[in-house]
Amino acid sequence: DQQVKQNSPSLSVQEGRISILNCDYTNSMFDYFLWYKKYPAEGPTFLISISSIKDKNEDGRFTVFLNKSAKHLSLHIVPSQPGDSAVYFCAASGVRAGNMLTFGGGTRLMVKP
Amino acid sequence: DTGVSQDPRHKITKRGQNVTFRCDPISEHNRLYWYRQTLGQGPEFLTYFQNEAQLEKSRLLSDRFSAERPKGSFSTLEIQRTEQGDSAMYLCASSLGESEQFFGPGTRLTVL
Repeated sequence: DQQVKQNSPSLSVQEGRISILNCDYTNSMFDYFLWYKKYPAEGPTFLISISSIKDKNEDGRFTVFLNKSAKHLSLHIVPSQPGDSAVYFCAASGVRAGNMLTFGGGTRLMVKP
Repeated sequence: DTGVSQDPRHKITKRGQNVTFRCDPISEHNRLYWYRQTLGQGPEFLTYFQNEAQLEKSRLLSDRFSAERPKGSFSTLEIQRTEQGDSAMYLCASSLGESEQFFGPGTRLTVL
């Protein structure tokens, strides 16, 4: 049973446009959500996070939106750049699980010049 | 480089052999985590330590797997009697308390 799902395995976007990556979760005990970016042959790199007490967090070109009632979060990248091409993972954790992260399956983003 | 480091980066072994991986966390981080990632999937949690205490273990961590963090600094993950299904990327991460986890580059294990 996948508790965190990224239903789009891939996404292609033109440079300069907005990239929107989506993530759904089923476990209502999750209260902290993170996005990681992964390049081939490297470990995941932390991008941005959001606590369940917020509905939006922004850091430069990256914004994460959380809709608790829908158990849905999204990552917006504006404007998209070719260097953003990577696999993006959504992850969630809950207080009772310590800080153990449950990851989605990832979305491969391709930004075309 | 003050990030998380892992050694070796690649390991090829024959089925039935034992392997050991090492992780050196960011120096001031008291929590250390092990994850496993197979092709096309997201990382899956294996275990984590707070200082030298192993606090959580996933059911994925069979009795052939053992992890240690003897002095609360570096950690080792040993797999005994490797099987082909153990082939994966083994990722280590560290954090300061419940802050964001920072990942190392991983050790890619191939069991022939």
